[in-house]
Amino acid sequence: EAGVAQSPRYKIIEKRQSVAFWCNPISGHATLYWYQQILGQGPKLLIQFQNNGVVDDSQLPKDRFSAERLKGVDSTLKIQPAKLEDSAVYLCASSSPLGGRETQYFGPGTRLLVL
Amino acid sequence: AQSVTQLGSHVSVSEGALVLLRCNYSSSVPPYLFWYVQYPNQGLQLLLKYTSAATLVKGINGFEAEFKKSETSFHLTKPSAHMSDAAEYFCAVTLPSGGYNKLIFGAGTRLAVHP
Repeated sequence: EAGVAQSPRYKIIEKRQSVAFWCNPISGHATLYWYQQILGQGPKLLIQFQNNGVVDDSQLPKDRFSAERLKGVDSTLKIQPAKLEDSAVYLCASSSPLGGRETQYFGPGTRLLVL
Repeated sequence: AQSVTQLGSHVSVSEGALVLLRCNYSSSVPPYLFWYVQYPNQGLQLLLKYTSAATLVKGINGFEAEFKKSETSFHLTKPSAHMSDAAEYFCAVTLPSGGYNKLIFGAGTRLAVHP
């Protein structure tokens, strides 16, 4: 079974530029998560999708971050404009079945450096 | 509110020695608890999880953890460390949120294994 796929793996941009990350979850997983992991810290949930609907985006900085999951499969996370403090690893995870405290499976992450 | 505390941001052991990584949680509901491992430049991999069945949980790579309700702990152990165990380890608890479940991570413990 293929795991969670993410691209790109690394990205370097200058502040005020925009950037987008892509995630393809494990086939059949209804729930998709985006996490931000700052160096030296544990991952922090940014947004959670159930199929193509948002169920939790309370920690997403909505003035600059946006995410979508069209058709309830793959997802994109965008930052516009980027700030220095956005430098982090962005992890995508997916889980199944619907609801419950099921295991989340993580992708390899996208490492973002904002200069 | 649910939270996770990992005692010791860095742990160093000799190859062949006991590994003990500490995790304490707070939760107003019976918790589900997880240990994930993160190797350099990779995503998070599930080591083991507690879901209210047996209190002693065995995971991959020889790791195990014991759920102790009276101590609100879920410490991770391995009898004999191997060089390949060097990585960062994260303890996490699920938090019910609006009918769904949010994973709350500790800050992580970096394990170093020396010859």
